[in-house]
Amino acid sequence: AQTVTQSQPEMSVQEAETVTLSCTYDTSESDYYLFWYKQPPSRQMILVIRQEAYKQQNATENRFSVNFQKAAKSFSLKISDSQLGDAAMYFCASNPSGNTPLVFGKGTRLSVIA
Amino acid sequence: KAGVTQTPRYLIKTRGQQVTLSCSPISGHRSVSWYQQTPGQGLQFLFEYFSETQRNKGNFPGRFSGRQFSNSRSEMNVSTLELGDSALYLCASSFVLAIGLDTQYFGPGTRLTVL
Repeated sequence: AQTVTQSQPEMSVQEAETVTLSCTYDTSESDYYLFWYKQPPSRQMILVIRQEAYKQQNATENRFSVNFQKAAKSFSLKISDSQLGDAAMYFCASNPSGNTPLVFGKGTRLSVIA
Repeated sequence: KAGVTQTPRYLIKTRGQQVTLSCSPISGHRSVSWYQQTPGQGLQFLFEYFSETQRNKGNFPGRFSGRQFSNSRSEMNVSTLELGDSALYLCASSFVLAIGLDTQYFGPGTRLTVL
């Protein structure tokens, strides 16, 4: 079975600082996507960033970037210049083979301190 | 493009009743997946529909069912509600590429409370 592990239940960061959220996964698939979703108090699940496993270059989206280590099966999310609006639950997820469901980690609750 | 929409946003039911939730995917998206989110179990996959056919199913009892219409809109039904069915039900849609992997986009969810 596919598994996604987020070892940090809670994290906090000062406004304007940088924070890294950790995620490890286990899959036997050769091709897959990895995602970070953000779920603010509104509960809307918002796509933050995605990474195709076959791409060696780490994905970036504005202040969000990932550190994808395929051999180590690690997929961490770095948030730069943290803003109050970044406070949310962050979920790491894997889509192992395209037509199968997303497998989610337990989530990391991020607090941003003004 | 409009995002994924779910109706209703909130529901309160009593044990033994049944409930139907609706999901309208992003225009052009052909796959709809349903997830249940609870504090204890986290996010769990219910089922996925593509071209009006259930393509994948999670490990939920038969009280949970769904369907997809020709316009890709989907409904899920829960019969004989139990207290443990109280959860946020999330719907996600994706385009379904002929080759390659898809990205799922989520709706705002339906908060179901069973009393």
